[in-house]
Order: sequence, then C-alpha cells, then structure tokens
Amino acid sequence: QVQLQESGPGLVKPSETLYVSCKVSGGAMSDYWWNWIRQSPGKGLEWIGYVDDSGNTNYDPSLKSRVAISLDMSGNQVFLNLSSVTAADTAVYYCARGSMFRGVLRFDPWGQGTLVTVSS
Amino acid sequence: QSALTQPASVSGSLGQSITISCTGTNTDIGGYDYVSWYQRHPGKAPKLIIFEVHNRPSGVSIRFSGSKSGNTASLTISGLQTEDEADYFCSSYSNTAVVYVFGSGTTVNVL
Repeated sequence: QVQLQESGPGLVKPSETLYVSCKVSGGAMSDYWWNWIRQSPGKGLEWIGYVDDSGNTNYDPSLKSRVAISLDMSGNQVFLNLSSVTAADTAVYYCARGSMFRGVLRFDPWGQGTLVTVSS
Repeated sequence: QSALTQPASVSGSLGQSITISCTGTNTDIGGYDYVSWYQRHPGKAPKLIIFEVHNRPSGVSIRFSGSKSGNTASLTISGLQTEDEADYFCSSYSNTAVVYVFGSGTTVNVL
C-alpha cells in the first residue's frame, strides 16, 4: 500500500523560500503524476501543481512564477520549492499521487500534510 | 475564496441521510463529469471516496453516493455513522488555466 509522508521546516520567514518534501513508500513512482495541494487557514484546498515521471510540470498560473516541483525517483521523493513567500503562503501542504484517466488526474492517495507558517 | 462553493457545515443524526452540495460553473462541474469527493478526518490524510461524479473506489462504503445536476454536484451519506464525522471536499477538472479546482470544504457533524 502506497504511503506518502510530507516533511517541512514548520516556520519560514517572509521573502524566503519554502522547501517541502514528500517521501513515497510502498510503491513505484513511475507512471504517476505527483501533486502538491495546500490549504490555508480558513480556506479550501488549492491545487499548486504537479510533476510527472518524466519531469514535466504543470502549475497553477497564480503561483507559476514562484513555484518549482521536482522528483527524485531513486530516492522516492517529491519536492516543492516556493520562493518569495508571504503570510498568504501559510498553509498545510499536501502531497498527492495522481493517476491519469481520460486525460484527467485522480488524486489518491494523499499524505497527512505538513504545516508551514510564514512569519518573521 | 475557493473556486467551488460548499456549505460550511452539515449536521445529521445517527442513521439519517445528509447531502452536501458543491457548486461551480460551466467551466468545471457543469462542463465535465470529473467531480471527485474527499473525506478528511482531523490530522489524517484526505481520502478519495467518489470519482467521476458517482464512482466509488474499492473499499469505500456504499453509504457514500455522488450525483450531479448542471453546475452543482452532491455527495449523499446515508445511514450516518459516528465515523462519518469529518471534513469533505469536492474537486473538479476545469478548462481554465487552473486545471484542478477544489471546494471550500464541509464539516459533517453527527448528532
């Protein structure tokens, strides 16, 4: 059974770069799309983007200039970098595996998420 | 502000049925049959419970059912049980630049 576990710094200062990782265990990373999704306090979920097993990426346009998602297949990890963070980037960050069906992703499973707070 | 609109909370008694709505537009819910629902217990990973409007993944209780009419999707939980207390999120494919949109989330309370 595939399991995902996120890790993050907990606290990041404004204008710095947020780094979050996701360890994948119990299954292969190939043939899937690896997503980051976040939930800010009091708000709904927000899709950030994905990386596929060839390294191709697709991002939410509103975050595209600041985000990078990458993959380490040998280490079974997925990474999220978000630069120039502000308080609005405070959120629980989730990693989710995407399976493609008829051109559309289905997110399953997810990790438990890691809370990242942006504050000085 | 979330792309898809859900009620903040829905309550029901043990054994009753409840329905959670999820309203979008014709660029997402109304245009495609790619609505998913996720269940999240506090501190746990979200779990896929409905995909493509009304399909249940293996292992998900038949008490969960999904439907769609126009720009609104719905999740019905029948025979409400205490373990159904959780947050529920809808999601849809979108033909806008943001390819996947989510709802604001609904907290289900079992009375």
